[in-house]
Amino acid sequence: QVQLVESGGGLVKPGGSLRLSCAASGFTFSDYYMSWIRQAPGKGLEWVSYISSSGSTIYYADSVKGRFTISRDNAKNSLYLQMNSLRAEDTAVYYCARSSWYVDYWGQGTLVTVSS
Amino acid sequence: EIVLTQSPDFQSVTPKEKVTITCRASQSIGSSLHWYQQKPDQSPKLLIKYASQSFSGVPSRFSGSGSGTDFTLTINSLEAEDAATYYCHQSSSLPGTFGQGTKLEIK
Repeated sequence: QVQLVESGGGLVKPGGSLRLSCAASGFTFSDYYMSWIRQAPGKGLEWVSYISSSGSTIYYADSVKGRFTISRDNAKNSLYLQMNSLRAEDTAVYYCARSSWYVDYWGQGTLVTVSS
Repeated sequence: EIVLTQSPDFQSVTPKEKVTITCRASQSIGSSLHWYQQKPDQSPKLLIKYASQSFSGVPSRFSGSGSGTDFTLTINSLEAEDAATYYCHQSSSLPGTFGQGTKLEIK
């Protein structure tokens, strides 16, 4: 069965950095677009970034452009999100998601808290 | 950016009731509209793809309809386990945008 397991979340000070990872299993990882979607506490869903199956096409939300970098390693069935210059408003649960035109599988999420 | 507006924001309903949640797009998106259910402290789950196609394993009481700018998620004979927040999502223009969510409370 499809499994997406995020790791790397935690407490970080404003201006700091964090790297999220997502380990995928149960499907051919290299066939799928993958995404990071976040949810601030008590709020709705926001698409942060997506990456095509080969890594050649990448999207970033304006709110993270220039600060976050998405990448993938198809040999390791892994998705990553490097987050730099973190701000308080980046505090959220970050979900790894298998996404084509819709998200059919979501990870359990990893909480990122940006606070001094 | 395509904006999705859901209504209502909150609804308190009794078991066995029929529930309708609407999602309106700021411009035509064809059938590129999907519905998700998020229960408290869980990740979202796909219910309906492309406006009316049920995702695998989703109970038959969930159905979707609509095209263009107006869409509906219907839950027939509501069950207590359906207490959740429901989101619509459009993929007409990638990466897509989400509605603000509709929270269903079971009385």
